[in-house]
Amino acid sequence: SQQGEEDPQALSIQEGENATMNCSYKTSINNLQWYRQNSGRGLVHLILIRSNEREKHSGRLRVTLDTSKKSSSLLITASRAADTASYFCAIQGAQKLVFGQGTRLTINP
Amino acid sequence: DVKVTQSSRYLVKRTGEKVFLECVQDMDHENMFWYRQDPGLGLRLIYFSYDVKMKEKGDIPEGYSVSREKKERFSLILESASTNQTSMYLCASSRLLSALNTQYFGPGTRLTVL
Repeated sequence: SQQGEEDPQALSIQEGENATMNCSYKTSINNLQWYRQNSGRGLVHLILIRSNEREKHSGRLRVTLDTSKKSSSLLITASRAADTASYFCAIQGAQKLVFGQGTRLTINP
Repeated sequence: DVKVTQSSRYLVKRTGEKVFLECVQDMDHENMFWYRQDPGLGLRLIYFSYDVKMKEKGDIPEGYSVSREKKERFSLILESASTNQTSMYLCASSRLLSALNTQYFGPGTRLTVL
């Protein structure tokens, strides 16, 4: 399956701590994307990393990609209560995006 | 900013009813997608479309059909709703000729079939 698999399924940390989520996949990819979903809402695109890139930053977000290990990680630094959401990785293959099942992140005040 | 809208946030229908879910995007995107999202199963692609009057089956098309008569509008149709179609339905759009195929999502429709 091309689907990404996120790990952990759920993560609970204190506000101000860093949160790290991982995504593993099994096939070759064109790019890998991360999305956020607030409870009961649609998904919002966070960041895209191409298959020839190893690291990318956007504000408090840092994404890494290791194509040899077929894995990616999303790091959120200095977490805030507003970061509470589900985070999905999405694998871009030939035509479609295939989403993983997500990591549920809870930031405790 | 891209805006994707869906006709309803919440919908309650009865078994056997014909259900229409509408999605409209305002950024002239060629691609449009319908997903359903269920706990523990993530997002699963139902149908997608690369152009007007064009459709492709996704991973779980059974029990659904779609219509794309205009570029900005993509409709999902449940011909005869069943209780196992109770779910969150998400519409998305993206550009066609882009290797950076970011998708833009609507707010979702939570459908309950009784």
